[in-house]
Amino acid sequence: AQSVSQHNHHVILSEAASLELGCNYSYGGTVNLFWYVQYPGQHLQLLLKYFSGDPLVKGIKGFEAEFIKSKFSFNLRKPSVQWSDTAEYFCAVNGIGTDKLIFGTGTRLQVFP
Amino acid sequence: GAGVSQSPRYKVAKRGQDVALRCDPISGHVSLFWYQQALGQGPEFLTYFQNEAQLDKSGLPSDRFFAERPEGSVSTLKIQRTQQEDSAVYLCASSLDAGGSDTQYFGPGTRLTVL
Repeated sequence: AQSVSQHNHHVILSEAASLELGCNYSYGGTVNLFWYVQYPGQHLQLLLKYFSGDPLVKGIKGFEAEFIKSKFSFNLRKPSVQWSDTAEYFCAVNGIGTDKLIFGTGTRLQVFP
Repeated sequence: GAGVSQSPRYKVAKRGQDVALRCDPISGHVSLFWYQQALGQGPEFLTYFQNEAQLDKSGLPSDRFFAERPEGSVSTLKIQRTQQEDSAVYLCASSLDAGGSDTQYFGPGTRLTVL
C-alpha cells in the first residue's frame, strides 16, 4: 500500500538549533516528493519538491531536503531554525503520471526564543 | 493574484443534514483536488478533476459524498445525510497543469462540524 511515515510527531527546539524531520515513503515506481508547511492560522503551502535530477533540493526560507532512493527517504533539514519556523510540516508523495498526493500525518515543530 | 478560496470557512450541521462546500481555484488552473483532513492527521485524497472531468473519485468514503466541477472552474463538494465521522477540514487544491510534479496550491479549508 502507498503510504508516508513521519517519525517525529512533535519536535521542540530552541532558536538556532539544527532541524531534521524524517520522512519515509512506501510507493511502487518513480515518485515525486514534497514538503508542505502550515503556519498557525494559515493554509498549506509548498516548501520544496523533488521530481528529478539533483537529489538535494533547496526550498524557501533556508530549508532543504535530500532524496535517498535506497532508503525511501526524503528528510527535511534546516541548519538553524527561527521562532518563525513554528508550524506543522507535512511530507507527501505522488507517482509519475498520477496527481493525487499521499500525505504523512505531519510533524508539529515548536521553536522557542 | 488571488489564491484558492473556499466557502464557507466554517460549517456546523446537524446529523442527517446535507451540506455543500465550495471551492474557487486559481484562475486558469486545469486540475482541482479535494482532500479531507481529520484532526491530528494529514490530508487524505478524496477526488480529482481535470477541467470538468472527474478523473479519480477513489477517495470518496461513501456514496453520500459527491463532487462536481461543471464548467471546469468552481467546484462543489456535497455531503448528503451528514454523520459525525464526516467532521473534518475539507481542503481544496488546484494546479496549473495535469502531471504529478506540478505544485498544488491549497485553499484555507472548510471546517465541518457535525453535531
